[in-house]
Amino acid sequence: KQEVTQIPAALSVPEGENLVLNCSFTDSAIYNLQWFRQDPGKGLTSLLLIQSSQREQTSGRLNASLDKSSGRSTLYIAASQPGDSATYLCAVNTGRRALTFGSGTRLQVQP
Amino acid sequence: GAVVSQHPSRVICKSGTSVKIECRSLDFQATTMFWYRQFPKQSLMLMATSNEGSKATYEQGVEKDKFLINHASLTLSTLTVTSAHPEDSSFYICSATGTGGTDTQYFGPGTRLTVL
Repeated sequence: KQEVTQIPAALSVPEGENLVLNCSFTDSAIYNLQWFRQDPGKGLTSLLLIQSSQREQTSGRLNASLDKSSGRSTLYIAASQPGDSATYLCAVNTGRRALTFGSGTRLQVQP
Repeated sequence: GAVVSQHPSRVICKSGTSVKIECRSLDFQATTMFWYRQFPKQSLMLMATSNEGSKATYEQGVEKDKFLINHASLTLSTLTVTSAHPEDSSFYICSATGTGGTDTQYFGPGTRLTVL
């Protein structure tokens, strides 16, 4: 059974810092991995999707990497801003098409 | 981009009543829809997978008689929480995949259910 773990569970940083969120998964046989953002009480916003054949994806200040063989992904956020404060969820698609989610990292960027 | 809507966004009901939540794909045909549940400060857990025109497949531990799922068309799936109890209070989120063969899932905005 696929298990997804995210570290740290919570993170508080001052504005302007670069930061890294970590995601690990137990079964490396994945189709893709996706990073989402969730604001309190809201739905999910897809940030980046990495196919299993890819090693990274970039969108603006966000960069996600994937090392499928070691079961790891990182989300790099450059020059963090208070508006980046949210919970970041990592999810893997193992071919069942439903996603297996990690428990998330709650990020607080202090102005 | 593809849009998925959910209705209602919030619902408060008394214990013992039934609540129906709708999930609609607005600009694409969704062959498969997924229902997730999220308890406070926890991640999303898959409840069931529904394919248009067939019975839903439920995850282990999810009672199919309590959480009725109907996927009658390519744009609509409904989740009915029957005889709701306070422990059913949660955030319910649906997602949908299209007919184009892509695995991209599009998520709805979620429904906050509170059972008194």
